[in-house]
Amino acid sequence: NAGVTQTPKFQVLKTGQSMTLQCAQDMNHNSMYWYRQDPGMGLRLIYYSASEGTTDKGEVPNGYNVSRLNKREFSLRLESAAPSQTSVYFCASSESNRSPKRTQYFGPGTRLTVL
Amino acid sequence: AQKITQTQPGMFVQEKEAVTLDCTYDTSDPSYGLFWYKQPSSGEMIFLIYQGSYDQQNATEGRYSLNFQKARKSANLVISASQLGDSAMYFCAMRDGAGYSTLTFGKGTMLLVSP
Repeated sequence: NAGVTQTPKFQVLKTGQSMTLQCAQDMNHNSMYWYRQDPGMGLRLIYYSASEGTTDKGEVPNGYNVSRLNKREFSLRLESAAPSQTSVYFCASSESNRSPKRTQYFGPGTRLTVL
Repeated sequence: AQKITQTQPGMFVQEKEAVTLDCTYDTSDPSYGLFWYKQPSSGEMIFLIYQGSYDQQNATEGRYSLNFQKARKSANLVISASQLGDSAMYFCAMRDGAGYSTLTFGKGTMLLVSP
């Protein structure tokens, strides 16, 4: 099992460019998440998908869109990148909402720089 | 209001000693879960330990234990017999009824283990 995979690992964009961060999990998890990590801020939730076909905003959704393509894949799109979106992006997945533990398992992260 | 507070930006410990990393939380929901994650310099987020609000005993996982004091709303991570490989950033996180599917993270504590 690869767990949670993310592509790309690194990306440099110019202000105004668009890009999509890809995430896939092979653990048959229902729920998937996108976080960003900035220095001194911990991880903040951007969007999540509780189950296939649903998506919801998290704490910091502005400037992002998501697509839950199928049960395995959850992508994050930056339509017009801004320097404030320079960050490390993590994708995570967890079991069904009915599980009391619902531990989230994380991908390796994507380091994004917007110039 | 901040839901998860980690008051120690950095901690130092000598190899083979025990160390406690502090975490306090705030929720009015009687059902919640507390998590600790480790982030080494390589960047990945590694799940360490989980404590449910209704669990009668403190959680333990190998050298990791969680000192859960419900009345004080604290969930401190105890690492026994520290090893050099324990040097990393440690994050406390909580899931409660308000964020049924999602985790709220603290800002983290950097632990450095010296020989």
